[in-house]
Amino acid sequence: DVKVTQSSRYLVKRTGEKVFLECVQDMDHENMFWYRQDPGLGLRLIYFSYDVKMKEKGDIPEGYSVSREKKERFSLILESASTNQTSMYLCASSLRGGVQETQYFGPGTRLLVL
Amino acid sequence: AQSVTQLDSHVSVSEGTPVLLRCNYSSSYSPSLFWYVQHPNKGLQLLLKYTSAATLVKGINGFEAEFKKSETSFHLTKPSAHMSDAAEYFCVVSRMEYGNKLVFGAGTILRVKS
Repeated sequence: DVKVTQSSRYLVKRTGEKVFLECVQDMDHENMFWYRQDPGLGLRLIYFSYDVKMKEKGDIPEGYSVSREKKERFSLILESASTNQTSMYLCASSLRGGVQETQYFGPGTRLLVL
Repeated sequence: AQSVTQLDSHVSVSEGTPVLLRCNYSSSYSPSLFWYVQHPNKGLQLLLKYTSAATLVKGINGFEAEFKKSETSFHLTKPSAHMSDAAEYFCVVSRMEYGNKLVFGAGTILRVKS
């Protein structure tokens, strides 16, 4: 079974802090994704990566950056956390990037920014 | 432009009765369509996917969905609801014109009454 793990289930941070969310997958997948989930909005793509050191912006990249130094690990960085970044963050991975590819999701990190 | 619309934000059924969760999509090309389920405080799990093979797709836990191109619909059904089906369900489309990225509907929360 594919396993996608996220470093924290819950995080509480203060406005202006730098925040790191870590994601690890154990199935040698090429593609990794970061989404945020808000009630009534579904999931929105923040960034994705199709290879080590490669990244592309998703639909809502403002205020975020990412890092992929190793194939199995994809980090989301909030450079200066703000209250409007309070949300659930979900990481996903897929073997390849085709239209039919299934994405496998981690359990999520619920971030509260005070 | 909205690519996938889930027609009900909440659906309530009694245990043992049929479930219908409605989804419409917009697409100029043949899309891939998915249904994911999210149980409380959990990540998303794939229920089923349509990839231009059979139009009636069977998934896990007794769920199925039918791709109807003429109606641009991909409704999710189950003959008999179980208490464990209570969760949030997401209809998702993957389209080439979006770079094969997933676009999520806003979600439907299914409540199952005993």
